[in-house]
Amino acid sequence: GAGVSQSPSNKVTEKGKDVELRCDPISGHTALYWYRQSLGQGLEFLIYFQGNSAPDKSGLPSDRFSAERTGGSVSTLTIQRTQQEDSAVYLCASSAGGTQYFGPGTRLLVL
Amino acid sequence: AQSVTQPDIHITVSEGASLELRCNYSYGATPYLFWYVQSPGQGLQLLLKYFSGDTLVQGIKGFEAEFKRSQSSFNLRKPSVHWSDAAEYFCALVHGSSNTGKLIFGQGTTLQVKP
Repeated sequence: GAGVSQSPSNKVTEKGKDVELRCDPISGHTALYWYRQSLGQGLEFLIYFQGNSAPDKSGLPSDRFSAERTGGSVSTLTIQRTQQEDSAVYLCASSAGGTQYFGPGTRLLVL
Repeated sequence: AQSVTQPDIHITVSEGASLELRCNYSYGATPYLFWYVQSPGQGLQLLLKYFSGDTLVQGIKGFEAEFKRSQSSFNLRKPSVHWSDAAEYFCALVHGSSNTGKLIFGQGTTLQVKP
């Protein structure tokens, strides 16, 4: 079946611009996660949605980062006023029953 | 605090040789543990997981891992490495007492396979 999909695959933006990254989870998965992978910091948790519960935003690095999940399915991660240190691969995962399945990621480069 | 340590940043093995990648964790109770593999430019693929029960777990691509509570370890093994196994490997545990929390990852181990 279809796995987790993310778009765009690559995004190049200028410092100060806003970007939106999209994640389509596996159908029926109630949990959705965003992680960031960068050279200096490894794999870091950003935010987690579980069903209709309030999201766990404890990993968001600043208030420039936000995410929403519409209708319990698709999620969008928004980064406002991008900075060069935001350059990273942003990975989305979804799960049902505790095992997280990852998408291919969005590679973000902030110039 | 919960944490995962992968002591080896880089490992090189010859094709056909055996492989063991080390993973140590810090957690007060029995953790939910995972191994993922990442090929260049790709996302993370699940190799295997341990939730409970038999401490020796089998995964895909001929990999296995053994949970050892006394050593706080969850080492990944493969008896004979193939060139296609060259990739980065991540050990992870779930934060919290439920298996649905965020993952805490180790730093990763890059595996190089010599012909």
